[in-house]
Amino acid sequence: DIQMTQSPSSLSASVGDRVTITCRASQDISNYLAWYQQRPGKVPKLLIYAASTLQSGVSSRFSGTGSGTDFTLTISSLQPEDVATYYCQKHNSAPFTFGPGTKVDIK
Amino acid sequence: EEQLVQSGAEVRKPGESLKISCKGSGYSFTSYWIAWVRQMPGKGLEWMGIIWPGDSETTYSPSFQGDVTISADKSVSTAYLQWSSLKASDTAMYYCVRLSGSNWFDPWGQGTLVTVSS
Repeated sequence: DIQMTQSPSSLSASVGDRVTITCRASQDISNYLAWYQQRPGKVPKLLIYAASTLQSGVSSRFSGTGSGTDFTLTISSLQPEDVATYYCQKHNSAPFTFGPGTKVDIK
Repeated sequence: EEQLVQSGAEVRKPGESLKISCKGSGYSFTSYWIAWVRQMPGKGLEWMGIIWPGDSETTYSPSFQGDVTISADKSVSTAYLQWSSLKASDTAMYYCVRLSGSNWFDPWGQGTLVTVSS
């Protein structure tokens, strides 16, 4: 099965900073990569699918790039409401494996 | 509004059985896969399995095969996750979620907290 990894596992940045999270698949998944945000105590929320398509209603601060095995999620200007854990997930076919998550907080 | 509404929190003892539910509304329930996702306390998201409510075809994660049963009743637009004999390690939040488009996960149910303790 394809494994998903993320780096870093956690990061702390200042408000207004540009933040980048990396996700890597152990095999080529084309662009079948989604990103989810889970704020503390809340339900996961879809941010991006197909590697770079922003879900309706999601802030344009978020963007995604990549294809094949290497992907990135970028927050262009970190805001307090972005404190959350971010998960990547392969969505081409089962098993729909999630990455281990990246916890983002404010410095 | 397309949404999934899950049943409420449950507390059970080890060895007991349990069935939790996930009711879809605002869309054609039989036209989309439904997935179940586990989140143990302080941990990440784990995909458990999926079901096609139209004919109840299921696919399980190898990590959960044999430990849980996923089912659906299309007449009431509801999917289910059940255990025949709970363990303390089943304590977790369980989410149902619809697969949309090319199988990304959206929307999510609000989650059902299952606590297994003697």
